[in-house]
Amino acid sequence: GESVGLHLPTLSVQEGDNSIINCAYSNSASDYFIWYKQESGKGPQFIIDIRSNMDKRQGQRVTVLLNKTVKHLSLQIAATQPGDSAVYFCAETSPTGANSKLTFGKGITLSVRP
Amino acid sequence: NAGVTQTPKFQVLKTGQSMTLQCAQDMNHEYMSWYRQDPGMGLRLIHYSVGAGITDQGEVPNGYNVSRSTTEDFPLRLLSAAPSQTSVYFCASSYSTQANTEAFFGQGTRLTVV
Repeated sequence: GESVGLHLPTLSVQEGDNSIINCAYSNSASDYFIWYKQESGKGPQFIIDIRSNMDKRQGQRVTVLLNKTVKHLSLQIAATQPGDSAVYFCAETSPTGANSKLTFGKGITLSVRP
Repeated sequence: NAGVTQTPKFQVLKTGQSMTLQCAQDMNHEYMSWYRQDPGMGLRLIHYSVGAGITDQGEVPNGYNVSRSTTEDFPLRLLSAAPSQTSVYFCASSYSTQANTEAFFGQGTRLTVV
């Protein structure tokens, strides 16, 4: 079946380094992608989104890249900080769906070493 | 601005008991949804609503009922709790009918069924 998944369950980076979190999706009809951050004991928090008519979008210290050819999504975090330690989820939705029908990947834990 | 409020934060039920998880949002959002989150897995959609009086099933609806009598509230009912329903439950809401707006999540309800 179609799914959104992450390649690695955990990622450990040194404080100050850049982090790259990858996500693969299989639904070629997906046209909207979102990255969420979830800290321990809290609900997911929106980080950044991208629509399928774009291949790159930048926020504050974060960049999302979309490669529709290989159905790959990545989140880049510049100058990773201890506060970035969390679980990160990619999510997607298709044109026939809505924001209320997000499909989430399994999540990857980012651990920042001091 | 409270955002999305879920109650209770923690709950322990005995098998066969019923209960209602409450969710309220004060942002006048049309879309609301319920997800469950299990260890090592992403969030899975249980039920969702595109507006007051309208609900629909998500990926894992069995054992749960919902209603949307007002824009603000979207309660999730467990009819006869089972250990397989032990999970963390998240309610989310979003404003637009377009699939490109941020979903706001509550803090979650941690449910244990013994």
